[in-house]
Amino acid sequence: QLQLQESGPGLVKPSETLSLTCSVSGDSIKRNNFYWGWVRQPPGKGLEWLGSVYYSGSAHFNPALKSRLTVSIDTSRNQFSLRMTSVTAADTAVYYCARHRVIPAANVDYWGRGTRVYVSS
Amino acid sequence: TVVTQEASFSVSPGGTITITCGLSSGSVTTTNYASWYRQTPGQPPRTLIYTTTVRASGVPARFSGSILGDKAALTITGAQAEDESDYYCVLYMGEDISVFGGGTKLTVL
Repeated sequence: QLQLQESGPGLVKPSETLSLTCSVSGDSIKRNNFYWGWVRQPPGKGLEWLGSVYYSGSAHFNPALKSRLTVSIDTSRNQFSLRMTSVTAADTAVYYCARHRVIPAANVDYWGRGTRVYVSS
Repeated sequence: TVVTQEASFSVSPGGTITITCGLSSGSVTTTNYASWYRQTPGQPPRTLIYTTTVRASGVPARFSGSILGDKAALTITGAQAEDESDYYCVLYMGEDISVFGGGTKLTVL
């Protein structure tokens, strides 16, 4: 059974960089035709796809956030990461990692439980 | 482009409800590969439908996906109390970009 587990700081100061990691267990992150993505949900609001990465390192991003995002993958550790620069209060959210097929954020078959991130001084 | 959904709906137990997913500009087609997710408070989403019409593994047959007119649609036939949730669609916009709808809060009463 595949499991995804997000980890990272629960509190980040405005203007700083948020770094999250998703650890994958139960299957290889190098499985063909699966992408590894990040989705967030601000308090009381809807879902937002942030970006996704393939095991080759090829990545796709939400255009609205592209300039602030990096999504990387470490196949030796079976984990992938999200890095978001210059955070503001608007980045306060639950951040989910997920596995999906080729279409970003579509046909997600596994989700992490989510990690809550607060942006505050 | 904004992906639109009804903000809220209510349905009686045993009733049928259709939630739609549209575009602020243009029509939704199968090339948008609509997916539908259900989410209850404090839980991650769960996939219901992908590629417009395909039910995900373990999803009850009362959930179905389709294209209705110029929108993607999620229909629940014979709603149950446990279906009271938030429902989200996501559409593929091309160029490796997908956008979620704002979500629909479904009340079963």
